[in-house]
Amino acid sequence: DVKVTQSSRYLVKRTGEKVFLECVQDMDHENMFWYRQDPGLGLRLIYFSYDVKMKEKGDIPEGYSVSREKKERFSLILESASTNQTSMYLCASRDRAAYGYTFGSGTRLTVV
Amino acid sequence: AQTVTQSQPEMSVQEAETVTLSCTYDTSENNYYLFWYKQPPSRQMILVIRQEAYKQQNATENRFSVNFQKAAKSFSLKISDSQLGDTAMYFCAFMTLEGQGGSEKLVFGKGTKLTVNP
Repeated sequence: DVKVTQSSRYLVKRTGEKVFLECVQDMDHENMFWYRQDPGLGLRLIYFSYDVKMKEKGDIPEGYSVSREKKERFSLILESASTNQTSMYLCASRDRAAYGYTFGSGTRLTVV
Repeated sequence: AQTVTQSQPEMSVQEAETVTLSCTYDTSENNYYLFWYKQPPSRQMILVIRQEAYKQQNATENRFSVNFQKAAKSFSLKISDSQLGDTAMYFCAFMTLEGQGGSEKLVFGKGTKLTVNP
């Protein structure tokens, strides 16, 4: 069964910490995405990558960076976590030959 | 910029009845894709149904069907014979393919929370 795996389901970090959220897909998909989900705001795109070492900013990239050194892994980095980054983070991937995204189960991050 | 609007933050329906969730979108593109995703309490986002804009025929997946009105930029989801397992957040989403290198954007609405009552 194909899937997207996010390394942590729940995460609690302190303000100012550097935080890594990891996402791995086993479907050989080219495109990978990081979304942030907040109540009443839906899902907002932070960054996406269409190839190894390639990335593009989404709608809300401020305070985040990403890394894609291998095709199957796409990492979201919070350089200095702040309380307003407390949220649900969803990773997704897509095969360019298809038009549906596969999502991970999400990481609920709390910054205290 | 593309936008997706879901005007119903919450809805409820009795088990076995039919419910329709509304979605409108705004775009100047002619070729695009529309989706409905379901997110149950488990948080796993699941693709429910997909519609290609160039297809006139409305997509159907078992109890789920859409009413796609391209001129009106409307894409509603109908759930027939509602089941308790249909209780979830439902997100309407819109996608175009922009530029080179596989660049793209999937834009989501804010979601409709659907509760199916026994």
